[in-house]
Amino acid sequence: DIQMTQSPSSLSASVGDRVTISCRASERISKYLNWYQQKPGKAPKLLIYSASSLQNGVPSRFSGSASGTDFTLTISSLQPEDFATYYCQQNFSPQLSFGGGTKVEVK
Amino acid sequence: QLVQSGPEVKKPGASVRVSCTASGSTLSTYYIHWVRQAPGQGLEWMGWIYPDSGGTNYAQNFQGRVSMTRDTSISTAFMELRRLKSDDTAVYYCATPSPYGDYFEYWGQGTLVTVSS
Repeated sequence: DIQMTQSPSSLSASVGDRVTISCRASERISKYLNWYQQKPGKAPKLLIYSASSLQNGVPSRFSGSASGTDFTLTISSLQPEDFATYYCQQNFSPQLSFGGGTKVEVK
Repeated sequence: QLVQSGPEVKKPGASVRVSCTASGSTLSTYYIHWVRQAPGQGLEWMGWIYPDSGGTNYAQNFQGRVSMTRDTSISTAFMELRRLKSDDTAVYYCATPSPYGDYFEYWGQGTLVTVSS
C-alpha cells in the first residue's frame, strides 16, 4: 500500500500568515494527490484535486504543487475560517489512502 | 445529496450496518466509497461499491470483515462491518468521487458507531 506522510502534524499561525503543509508519498503517484479541509464535527471538504487544480468555489488563496513524491498545500494569506485540519489523499493506487492530517491552530 | 442512517451502539463481536441514501439522484450512476474516522484521529478509506454492477473493492485492512452492498430500488448503499472491536468506534462516512477521478466531492453527514461492552 502507498503510505502518505504529512508534516507537520500541527502548526500555529496567525491571520494573514502564509501557511504550507507537506505531504510525501512512499512511492511515485504522478499527480494523483488531493487535499481536503475538515472542521470539527463536519465531513471533509475537497479543496484541491490532481495536485494543483482548485475545486469549484474554493478561494484562490489555496494552491497545491508537486515535486516528485512531495506535495504541498499553500494558503497564501490565512483567514479566520481556515483554522481546520487538512488531509492529503492519493488516488494513484486502487487502494486509496490518506495522510495523517495537519491541524492549523490559532497562534 | 447523501443521507446516512443514525448513530449505532454495538457490543464487541457484533455487526453493524450503515446505510447511505442518494437523495434526488440515481444511486447506480456513482461509485460509493466508505471512509471512517476514529475519535480525534485521521481519515481511513475502507473501500467502494459500484451500485450498477455491485462490484466492490475493499481496503486490505478490512478484507474479510466488511461487506458493501446496495439496493438500487431505494437508491441506498450499505456498509456492514462484522466482529466489531472497541477500536472500530468511529464516524463512518459515505462519499462519492468525481466522474474524473477518485477524489471526493460529495460526502454524507457521517454515522457514529460506538462499540462498547
